Amino acid sequence: AQKITQTQPGMFVQEKEAVTLDCTYDTSDQSYGLFWYKQPSSGEMIFLIYQGSYDEQNATEGRYSLNFQKARKSANLVISASQLGDSAMYFCAMRVNGGSQGNLIFGKGTKLSVKP
Amino acid sequence: AAGVIQSPRHLIKEKRETATLKCYPIPRHDTVYWYQQGPGQDPQFLISFYEKMQSDKGSIPDRFSAQQFSDYHSELNMSSLELGDSALYFCASSLASNEQFFGPGTRLTVL
Repeated sequence: AQKITQTQPGMFVQEKEAVTLDCTYDTSDQSYGLFWYKQPSSGEMIFLIYQGSYDEQNATEGRYSLNFQKARKSANLVISASQLGDSAMYFCAMRVNGGSQGNLIFGKGTKLSVKP
Repeated sequence: AAGVIQSPRHLIKEKRETATLKCYPIPRHDTVYWYQQGPGQDPQFLISFYEKMQSDKGSIPDRFSAQQFSDYHSELNMSSLELGDSALYFCASSLASNEQFFGPGTRLTVL
């Protein structure tokens, strides 16, 4: 069965420090995509970063990077130099049902709190 | 850049009433998705459309239906509303690409 697991319900990080949010996935597909979204308390879902299963390089987008370890089926999000505005819920997601039109399944999320 | 538009942003209904949520995808995006996020939950996939045809179905109740119109906007119709339907409903769109961009969501409250 296809599944996303986020084992950290909540995390604290000091402002300006780096933090890693864990995500493991389970799929038998050879081709899949992994996503991270940020959901502030206001509710919107903000796309952060994407990693394709065939991408050899780890994805990076500004302060966000994805530590992709295919053999371990993990896709951890690293946020460098945390800011107070990074306090939010973070969801790891995987595209399923094949093809680029597949829907996403989500993990339960990690609530990140950045301390000043 | 244009984003996904959803209306209304907030909706309050009584039990057994009907509700219609609207979604306007990013221009030229060919796939629309609907997700439901209950309080404190992760989003759950409901249904998707590719080029105006239903492409996949998730955990969508029979009381719900959806369609995509010729102008690519989509509507989610919800009938016989129940208290448990109270949730944040997201529409997302993509263009055969890697990212799914989400709209701001419609917060539905059923009293």
